[in-house]
Amino acid sequence: NAGVTQTPKFRVLKTGQSMTLLCAQDMNHEYMYWYRQDPGMGLRLIHYSVGEGTTAKGEVPDGYNVSRLKKQNFLLGLESAAPSQTSVYFCASSYSGANVLTFGAGSRLTVL
Amino acid sequence: RKEVEQDPGPFNVPEGATVAFNCTYSNSASQSFFWYRQDCRKEPKLLMSVYSSGNEDGRFTAQLNRACQYISLLIRDSKLSDSATYLCVVGYNNNDMRFGAGTRLTVKP
Repeated sequence: NAGVTQTPKFRVLKTGQSMTLLCAQDMNHEYMYWYRQDPGMGLRLIHYSVGEGTTAKGEVPDGYNVSRLKKQNFLLGLESAAPSQTSVYFCASSYSGANVLTFGAGSRLTVL
Repeated sequence: RKEVEQDPGPFNVPEGATVAFNCTYSNSASQSFFWYRQDCRKEPKLLMSVYSSGNEDGRFTAQLNRACQYISLLIRDSKLSDSATYLCVVGYNNNDMRFGAGTRLTVKP
């Protein structure tokens, strides 16, 4: 049972490049989330989804887009990367809202 | 002001010590409360949920004080393996979970 899997684990981008982070879960969870974690800031919610085909903005959505075409997958896109988006990104899923979260191992992104 | 605040530490304690962490939250409509543990360069993992009446799981005890808007975590008989960062998490509607920045604990032999 893989749980939540994120790819890639590491990536270095140049300013202005685009990329997509993939999150996959095999627990049949309805809710999926993308967070970023920066030193001294705690995890901050970027976007989330309450089910297939639905997405919503979180606390820090600017510069990111998401899609949930299949229940098990939640994609996070950066259209034009900026150095301020250098961070560790965590995907999480849960059976229901405001409930126990299961996290992926994280994706470390550096934007030069 | 951050919605969820924790003392960042670090807390350095000897093995066998008892250590307590506090966390305050600003939104009185908060509905769910958790403590997560995060090891260095790893993902957060649920340590325990926090219930209104307080709850215990082995050496770990969590308390909630809604009137004062804080939650606490008590670790008794600290082990080396307890060294980690402890994250306070507060949920205040079905889709929003706010994280504290974490409190770092180091247990030394």
